[in-house]
This record gives sequence, structure tokens and C-alpha cells, in this order.
Amino acid sequence: QKEVEQNSGPLSVPEGAIASLNCTYSDRGSQSFFWYRQYSGKSPELIMFIYSNGDKEDGRFTAQLNKASQYVSLLIRDSQPSDSATYLCAVPGGTSYGKLTFGQGTILTVHP
Amino acid sequence: DTGVSQNPRHKITKRGQNVTFRCDPISEHNRLYWYRQTLGQGPEFLTYFQNEAQLEKSRLLSDRFSAERPKGSFSTLEIQRTEQGDSAMYLCASSPLNQPQHFGDGTRLSIL
Repeated sequence: QKEVEQNSGPLSVPEGAIASLNCTYSDRGSQSFFWYRQYSGKSPELIMFIYSNGDKEDGRFTAQLNKASQYVSLLIRDSQPSDSATYLCAVPGGTSYGKLTFGQGTILTVHP
Repeated sequence: DTGVSQNPRHKITKRGQNVTFRCDPISEHNRLYWYRQTLGQGPEFLTYFQNEAQLEKSRLLSDRFSAERPKGSFSTLEIQRTEQGDSAMYLCASSPLNQPQHFGDGTRLSIL
């Protein structure tokens, strides 16, 4: 089992819809979780992090964490074409903010 | 905050040659990380430094790879006797202690 798993997609949603991106992880001791956005040919950009069970909202983005199910998700409300990118879920390798283990990424396409 | 800077942006070399990449982290970030990313995959951790100390190296990092951060500021990643399989994007990230990582634009390595 991979340490961090994401559906590679592609996920296609219409403009204005909610995009839901999912990630599961294998290490029950993981304490924090990160979502990065990566445009084609560019480097990953941090958009959200969460370390408590429940929801964390930042503008149009909501991260949801369920440690019992080892599941973290990212919701993007009112999706825009500019949200089209690869979304990477990442989990630190230890109890501190050390190395990150990334999923393979989910490709999101928002069509007008 | 000028961001993480990586040089060169692109490197094309022949198989068997040595290459060296440089990373300048965000000032006062004491942690610096190297990752490698191939097409369609998330970044894979290679190594990281806290100040000048190299704290962890991935098993992926063969003895042809070496990284240094001699004064706790910039870092270099050298690959000796390059192979076709080394073709990838090499990403550098930095962070303060126990804070999220921020990535540079990467160095794309192509082996002919």
C-alpha cells in the first residue's frame, strides 16, 4: 500500500461547481496534512494545511480531515477555470515538519 | 521575501557527465529540502538540511548523488556520472523549523 494515495483523475467539473479531491494515508501517527497546487510546468504551491479533525476553510477552499478513517479531502467551491491544475496531497514523514511524502496528484479541469 | 531560487532552470547534458544545481532558500529559513519529480508523479523526497546539518537522506539517493549546505544558507545538489533515469525536475524547498515548505521553480534536467 502506498503511503499517500490520490485518485489521479482527471477530474472534470463545470465552472461554478464544487470540486472534491480525496487523499488517504497509511501512517496512523501522521499529525498534519498539506495540499499543494501545481500548474503545468510550475512548482508546487501551498494552498492549505490542516492538523485537527474536522474542517478548515480558507476562501473558496475547505480541507476536511478524518484521522479515524485516515482520510483528508479538499473542496473547492465555485470552481474557476484558473483552478485547473494538479492537486497534491502531502504528509510529513515524522512528528515534525520534516520530509513530505506526496501522493501522485489529482488532475483537475474546470471547463467553462 | 524573494522566494526560493534555483539555478539553472534547465540543464541538458550527455549521459555520464556530472551536473550541479544550486538552491538559495528564503532568507532565515533554516530547513532546506531537495525533491525529484517525474512526469505524472508527485515529488519524491531526496534529502534535507537543518542549517548546515544533513538530517535525512532517502534510500533513493544513490552514491552518485551528493548534497551540501556548507554555511547553512544556499545548497548544492551534484549528480555524478548521469544516467538516463536521472532526467527529472529537481525541486528545492525551504521552511522555518516546523512550518510548511515553500518550493522553488525547479531545475529541469534532461539527459541525452
